[in-house]
Amino acid sequence: QVTLRESGPALVKPTQTLTLTCTFSGFSLTTSGMCVGWIRQSPGKALEWLARIDWDDDKYYSTSLKTRLTISKDTSKNQVVLTMTNMDPVDTATYFCARLLSGRGYYFDYWGQGTLVTVSS
Amino acid sequence: DIQMTQSPSSLSASVGDRVTITCRASQSINSYLNWYQQKPGEAPNLLIYAASSLQSGVPSRFSGSGSGTDFTLTISSLQPEDFATYYCQQSYSTLLTFGGGTKVEIK
Repeated sequence: QVTLRESGPALVKPTQTLTLTCTFSGFSLTTSGMCVGWIRQSPGKALEWLARIDWDDDKYYSTSLKTRLTISKDTSKNQVVLTMTNMDPVDTATYFCARLLSGRGYYFDYWGQGTLVTVSS
Repeated sequence: DIQMTQSPSSLSASVGDRVTITCRASQSINSYLNWYQQKPGEAPNLLIYAASSLQSGVPSRFSGSGSGTDFTLTISSLQPEDFATYYCQQSYSTLLTFGGGTKVEIK
């Protein structure tokens, strides 16, 4: 059974750095074709892909946010960590992590429930 | 980056209606196109991957078609539980992108 769960602060101040952790079970990020991605959704808005990390430790970032994002994995803990620097109120959103499976393309087949992050002083 | 444009942004339909949602890519993405359904307060749920492959457990009234730049999600007979927002997502590029969403509302 595949599960993912996001954790991190619910409230951050402007200019602070956000650190989110995705803890997963039911698969291994050492398996070829396995990846984990982060996606966010501002209130009432569309999904926005942020970053992904692959089983071979390749990392990819959204072009618009790449200067602020860092993704890493700890395979021994089954965790993926996303950091976002210089947080702003426009970064207020629900942040999801999801398993990204490689097959015929890449698709998010399992998602965490999401964690709401509010940026406010 | 590859831009994904969905149309319409919203639609009203009745139970039993046939519903079609379109997604257009800014360049050819072969068949690397996925569809998700999202209900309020929930995470998205994968419906279709690789343009036309039905994800396990998804009802057969959902179908996908298309290749290149133009894709379609069809719900053959809309059910009450299908009222939701639908998103397309491309994986032709390593930099993934989602469409803007289509909200399906009750007429």
